Amino acid sequence: NAGVTQTPKFQVLKTGQSMTLQCAQDMNHNSMYWYRQDPGMGLRLIYYSASEGTTDKGEVPNGYNVSRLNKREFSLRLESAAPSQTSVYFCASSRDSNNSPLHFGNGTRLTVT
Amino acid sequence: GESVGLHLPTLSVQEGDNSIINCAYSNSASDYFIWYKQESGKGPQFIIDIRSNMDKRQGQRVTVLLNKTVKHLSLQIAATQPGDSAVYFCAENRIYNQGGKLIFGQGTELSVKP
Repeated sequence: NAGVTQTPKFQVLKTGQSMTLQCAQDMNHNSMYWYRQDPGMGLRLIYYSASEGTTDKGEVPNGYNVSRLNKREFSLRLESAAPSQTSVYFCASSRDSNNSPLHFGNGTRLTVT
Repeated sequence: GESVGLHLPTLSVQEGDNSIINCAYSNSASDYFIWYKQESGKGPQFIIDIRSNMDKRQGQRVTVLLNKTVKHLSLQIAATQPGDSAVYFCAENRIYNQGGKLIFGQGTELSVKP
């Protein structure tokens, strides 16, 4: 089992460019999440999908969109990247959306210039 | 406002000593708590969890204590090893209308001296 796989590992964008971060899990988990991690801010929830076919906003959703493509895959899209979106992005999954530990990928380091 | 926070941003311990990492939370409705370990360049790794109907849970070399009276969570690592050096995060499952959301604290960096 690979667990949670994120691509790409690194990305540099210019302001205004768009891109999609990909995430896939092979643990048959129902719930998936996108977090961003910034120095001194900890992990902040961007969007989550409690189950296939549903998505909901987290703490910091502005500037992002998500797609739960199927049970395995949950993508995060930046339509018009801004320097404030420079961060490390983590995808995670859990068996369900309540009282289940999250399993994280190894992150995508995004720099917006 | 509500917060999940850590008392110490950094902790330095001697190899072989026990480590204690503390976490305070303010939402008394939170029903589930988790400790994660994050090594440089990697994603957070699950260590141990505890539900609000318990006050202590033990794993391999780790113990989590939950004091709901003062809303305090701690992680104890026995016989700390160099491989334990990492950033440790506590997280609480806050209850909202649509279910729970895991909210993370800012992290404590543990440094183990040989």
